[in-house]
Amino acid sequence: DVKVTQSSRYLVKRTGEKVFLECVQDMDHENMFWYRQDPGLGLRLIYFSYDVKMKEKGDIPEGYSVSREKKERFSLILESASTNQTSMYLCASSPGTGLPDTDTQYFGPGTRLTVL
Amino acid sequence: AQRVTQPEKLLSVFKGAPVELKCNYSYSGSPELFWYVQYSRQRLQLLLRHISRESIKGFTADLNKGETSFHLKKPFAQEEDSAMYYCALSGGMYSGGGADGLTFGKGTHLIIQP
Repeated sequence: DVKVTQSSRYLVKRTGEKVFLECVQDMDHENMFWYRQDPGLGLRLIYFSYDVKMKEKGDIPEGYSVSREKKERFSLILESASTNQTSMYLCASSPGTGLPDTDTQYFGPGTRLTVL
Repeated sequence: AQRVTQPEKLLSVFKGAPVELKCNYSYSGSPELFWYVQYSRQRLQLLLRHISRESIKGFTADLNKGETSFHLKKPFAQEEDSAMYYCALSGGMYSGGGADGLTFGKGTHLIIQP
């Protein structure tokens, strides 16, 4: 079974703090993704990465950055947290181009971030 | 731009009744369509994808390119089907590497009443 883990289930931070959300997958997947999930808005893609040190902006990258130094780990960084970044953050991974099941994404349990 | 529309925020049906969750998409090429499900306090998981044409937990979905729809159906609802359902599209919107982020609809909360 694919296992995608996220470092925290719940996180409370103050406005202006730098926040790191960590995601690790154990299936040697090439692609990794960060989404935020908000009621009534569904999931929106923040950033994704298709290789180590590579990153691409998604639909809502403003206020976020990412880091992928190792294949299994993908970090989401909020440089200066704001209250409108209070949300559920989901990490996902998928196998990669040309591989079986290439488009299927496997999700982590989510991190509920509250910014006060 | 690609878009996924799920017109119903909430759908409530009785146990044993048929269920249809609607999904329409906007995309100029040949999309990959998915249904994901999130049960209470569980992570989001794939329910089915159109390319595999299989039935999972009694659910089926047919891609209708003429109507740009990918509705999810089940003939007889069960209480354990209560969950949040998301329709998603992968269409190569983003450049490079072959990785595609998914475009999700806003979700439909399905409630099966006993």
